[in-house]
Amino acid sequence: DTGVSQDPRHKITKRGQNVTFRCDPISEHNRLYWYRQTLGQGPEFLTYFQNEAQLEKSRLLSDRFSAERPKGSFSTLEIQRTEQGDSAMYLCASSTAVPHEQYFGPGTRLTVT
Amino acid sequence: EDQVTQSPEALRLQEGESSSLNCSYTVSGLRGLFWYRQDPGKGPEFLFTLYSAGEEKEKERLKATLTKKESFLHITAPKPEDSATYLCAVQEGGSYIPTFGRGTSLIVHP
Repeated sequence: DTGVSQDPRHKITKRGQNVTFRCDPISEHNRLYWYRQTLGQGPEFLTYFQNEAQLEKSRLLSDRFSAERPKGSFSTLEIQRTEQGDSAMYLCASSTAVPHEQYFGPGTRLTVT
Repeated sequence: EDQVTQSPEALRLQEGESSSLNCSYTVSGLRGLFWYRQDPGKGPEFLFTLYSAGEEKEKERLKATLTKKESFLHITAPKPEDSATYLCAVQEGGSYIPTFGRGTSLIVHP
């Protein structure tokens, strides 16, 4: 078991550019979550997949954010027209249905200049 | 009102000085309460899941307990390598989305 992996680990981009992050969950996990975390805060929920279906999105999630999990395996998170306020750590986690604990990847640190 | 409140925000201990971290929650119908450890620049690492009041879990120097309104993470004789941020998350009945607290930053001095 190699755990949850994320790529890239760091991304620096200029304001207005689009960025895409990838998450590979633990292979037998059917649930996949994306979170955003800023300094001094806990992870903030963005969106959640069960297999390939996106079941829930945060009401705080801007239309500039989109996520996919096309074959129920890896997932991508795209941010269009990045803003400085998007600078954060983007975390991916996966879990089985029961038990519900989530296993997190190392995160992607995004810096928007 | 925050659903999950962790206290203290920061805690400094001397090596060997036992203490407890608190996580209070206001959700109704708890599905599960989770404790994670997070090192700087890394993703959270799962520690424990607690499901019902009275439940306890232990791992090395850590022991997590749960009541109807709060959970405690007890750290016995901590070592410098226990220094990290400890996050609590609660999952409400009917939801698969946990809500995280802001964490407690623990520093253990040698």
